[in-house]
Amino acid sequence: KAGVTQTPRYLIKTRGQQVTLSCSPISGHRSVSWYQQTPGQGLQFLFEYFSETQRNKGNFPGRFSGRQFSNSRSEMNVSTLELGDSALYLCASTGRGLAGETPYEQYFGPGTRLTVT
Amino acid sequence: KQEVTQIPAALSVPEGENLVLNCSFTDSAIYNLQWFRQDPGKGLTSLLLIQSSQREQTSGRLNASLDKSSGRSTLYIAASQPGDSATYLCAVQGQTGANNLFFGTGTRLTVIP
Repeated sequence: KAGVTQTPRYLIKTRGQQVTLSCSPISGHRSVSWYQQTPGQGLQFLFEYFSETQRNKGNFPGRFSGRQFSNSRSEMNVSTLELGDSALYLCASTGRGLAGETPYEQYFGPGTRLTVT
Repeated sequence: KQEVTQIPAALSVPEGENLVLNCSFTDSAIYNLQWFRQDPGKGLTSLLLIQSSQREQTSGRLNASLDKSSGRSTLYIAASQPGDSATYLCAVQGQTGANNLFFGTGTRLTVIP
């Protein structure tokens, strides 16, 4: 079974621009969560989507948004980029406990490294 | 708000040594605890998940324990190898089962050949 994939892997943007990142979960997983990782703040939860609905949201400004499609693929968007948005953005899909998976175990993608200049 | 702490922040050991990584959390009302490893610039690899009703889980040379009442977990690595060098992160999931994990800051492990 293919793992979680994220595109693009690397991105360089200018302050004020907007960016869209994509995440494809493991086949059969319906929950996709997004995290931001920075050296100063560590890993922080952004939001979770389940069956095309945002189910949970972390403490990030409204410039950070996301959506999920009917095939469970998810995108996150950051508008009006700031220098502080430079980070590794990770998405994770959550196991449903089917076919030997552990329920609620999260599987992470390789991440998108965003650099804002 | 749940806070997760990992001690030590960094650890260097010679190859072959057994070692223990520590994780503590402030709110004992958790659904599960998961240990991950992260190689530089890469994503997270799940190592072990312990349900709140369990005391420990084992996978190969790894053994993770959970003491929910005291808010602690340990990851034991037996017979360490240079390939074990990575940052190890623990994360807890709140009792509601919502899929947002609270992460510790990690322990950077270096195994010296």
